[in-house]
Amino acid sequence: LAKTTQPISMDSYEGQEVNITCSHNNIATNDYITWYQQFPSQGPRFIIQGYKTKVTNEVASLFIPADRKSSTLSLPRVSLSDTAVYYCLVGDKQAGTALIFGKGTTLSVSS
Amino acid sequence: NAGVTQTPKFRVLKTGQSMTLLCAQDMNHEYMYWYRQDPGMGLRLIHYSVGEGTTAKGEVPDGYNVSRLKKQNFLLGLESAAPSQTSVYFCASSSAHRLAGANVLTFGAGSRLTVL
Repeated sequence: LAKTTQPISMDSYEGQEVNITCSHNNIATNDYITWYQQFPSQGPRFIIQGYKTKVTNEVASLFIPADRKSSTLSLPRVSLSDTAVYYCLVGDKQAGTALIFGKGTTLSVSS
Repeated sequence: NAGVTQTPKFRVLKTGQSMTLLCAQDMNHEYMYWYRQDPGMGLRLIHYSVGEGTTAKGEVPDGYNVSRLKKQNFLLGLESAAPSQTSVYFCASSSAHRLAGANVLTFGAGSRLTVL
């Protein structure tokens, strides 16, 4: 059973900021939150990972509140090339476990 | 660095035939995973391995077998293919070491299997 719940789809326009929220009410102490992006006919690729508070890299920010029961992926100023499926994954970073994906969020960016 | 390589990329089978998908990684990763992806279903975990010689069942293991005889390879077998196994199969691997990005998955390009 997936540990996460995300909106099925979101629409945006070029240049806007997009925030995708993931719910993970049963997150465990050792779990980290990782986001992946998948384009059609490709394997998913890593975007960002975090444990708590805020993490930022060159492509996105990840906001995690103190209770860690949800997280928000923020994509600044999206472009058409950001149209993809985004997956939130919760998993133990200290042990090998089954990593179960949810259905992901399909983001469509229009001009 | 090739990362994660899956072979074959495409395959068409008849019902009842058997085949093996090969996943090879050159990153010295401990953990390896096989997922299948069907339209509207996201990624579903079939089997995974936390080390050489070990395997474990995921969400949808029925009809598949796996082996991890070498650390760098993870094989997915279909003993008697069924049309319901028509899918895109993705292999992924990750490091067990926290500082090396544990549980950050690197995926292969996928293998598209059609069972007639």
